[in-house]
Amino acid sequence: EDQVTQSPEALRLQEGESSSLNCSYTVSGLRGLFWYRQDPGKGPEFLFTLYSAGEEKEKERLKATLTKKESFLHITAPKPEDSATYLCAVQGTGNTGKLIFGQGTTLQVKP
Amino acid sequence: DTGVSQDPRHKITKRGQNVTFRCDPISEHNRLYWYRQTLGQGPEFLTYFQNEAQLEKSRLLSDRFSAERPKGSFSTLEIQRTEQGDSAMYLCASSLIAGVTDTQYFGPGTRLTVL
Repeated sequence: EDQVTQSPEALRLQEGESSSLNCSYTVSGLRGLFWYRQDPGKGPEFLFTLYSAGEEKEKERLKATLTKKESFLHITAPKPEDSATYLCAVQGTGNTGKLIFGQGTTLQVKP
Repeated sequence: DTGVSQDPRHKITKRGQNVTFRCDPISEHNRLYWYRQTLGQGPEFLTYFQNEAQLEKSRLLSDRFSAERPKGSFSTLEIQRTEQGDSAMYLCASSLIAGVTDTQYFGPGTRLTVL
């Protein structure tokens, strides 16, 4: 069964303190791995899609990487506005479009 | 492009009542998804459409839930005889399937509270 596990569940950083969020996944065949940001009371906001091991994508202070078993979301010199819940999801191959989500990592960046 | 919209944003109902939610996808997106999210958890897949056809339903979706996408544009999700356990955020997402790419864009959600 396809499964996604994110760690840590919660992370507190000081402004400027870089760190990484982990997403471990088990899927029979990977079509894509997705990262989303979610602010309280809002829908998830798309950040990145990764398709194959070794792929990397960057956006501002965020960088996502992918291996055959896990993905990392690296946050460099975070700012308070980066505070949010970060969700990881996988989409499997085959005749399905559904995303399987992890439980998320809630990031708090203190000034 | 105004993004995915959902209506209503909040719904409070009494147990046993029926509720209906609407989702308007990004124009020209051919796939539309429904998810449910409870506090502290990631979204959980419910069902999805490609154009008018409902292609997949979650095993967790009880018979009280029904979804339609009559003209391949907007979609409705109806919950009959609501229960307190139905309280959650209901999220809609849409995508344009093109080869390997199927990036889903989410709406703001409908928060359902069942008293």
